[in-house]
Amino acid sequence: KQEVTQIPAALSVPEGENLVLNCSFTDSAIYNLQWFRQDPGKGLTSLLLIQSSQREQTSGRLNASLDKSSGRSTLYIAASQPGDSATYLCAVLNSNSGYALNFGKGTSLLVTP
Amino acid sequence: SQTIHQWPATLVQPVGSPLSLECTVEGTSNPNLYWYRQAAGRGLQLLFYSVGIGQISSEVPQNLSASRPQDRQFILSSKKLLLSDSGFYLCAWTRGDSTDTQYFGPGTRLTVL
Repeated sequence: KQEVTQIPAALSVPEGENLVLNCSFTDSAIYNLQWFRQDPGKGLTSLLLIQSSQREQTSGRLNASLDKSSGRSTLYIAASQPGDSATYLCAVLNSNSGYALNFGKGTSLLVTP
Repeated sequence: SQTIHQWPATLVQPVGSPLSLECTVEGTSNPNLYWYRQAAGRGLQLLFYSVGIGQISSEVPQNLSASRPQDRQFILSSKKLLLSDSGFYLCAWTRGDSTDTQYFGPGTRLTVL
């Protein structure tokens, strides 16, 4: 069974810092890996999707990498802003369960002014 | 463009009462549909998924059930709620291939007292 782990569980940084969120998974037979953002009491917003054949994806200040063989992904946020404060969720897509996602518990990020 | 709706947004129900949560998708046809639950301190847990009308797969044995009476409508139900059913319920859809992201609704916050 796929297990997805995110480290750290919580992170607080001053505005302007670059930061890295980590995600690991136990079964490397994935179709893709996705990073989502969740604001308190809200649904999930897709940030980046990396196909299993890709090594990284970039969107603005966000860069996500994927090392499928080692079962790891990182989300890099450059020049953090208070508006980046949210919970970031990593999820992997396996071949079972009708293309449902396996989620980690998330990293709660607080960027202070 | 595609839109996903969930209602109600919040719900407070007594133990033993019935439940019906509704999810509808606009702007696409034959989507894969999913119900997830997010409980305090836990990651998102897949409850049910559907790859077509009348086709429901359950991931977790419990007192909840799901139905898909129409192509773009997904309903989560219970005959008798338990305290442990409290949580944030999220509906999601995808086109049903391994290259597509999942799109999430705004969620329903359920509190069982």
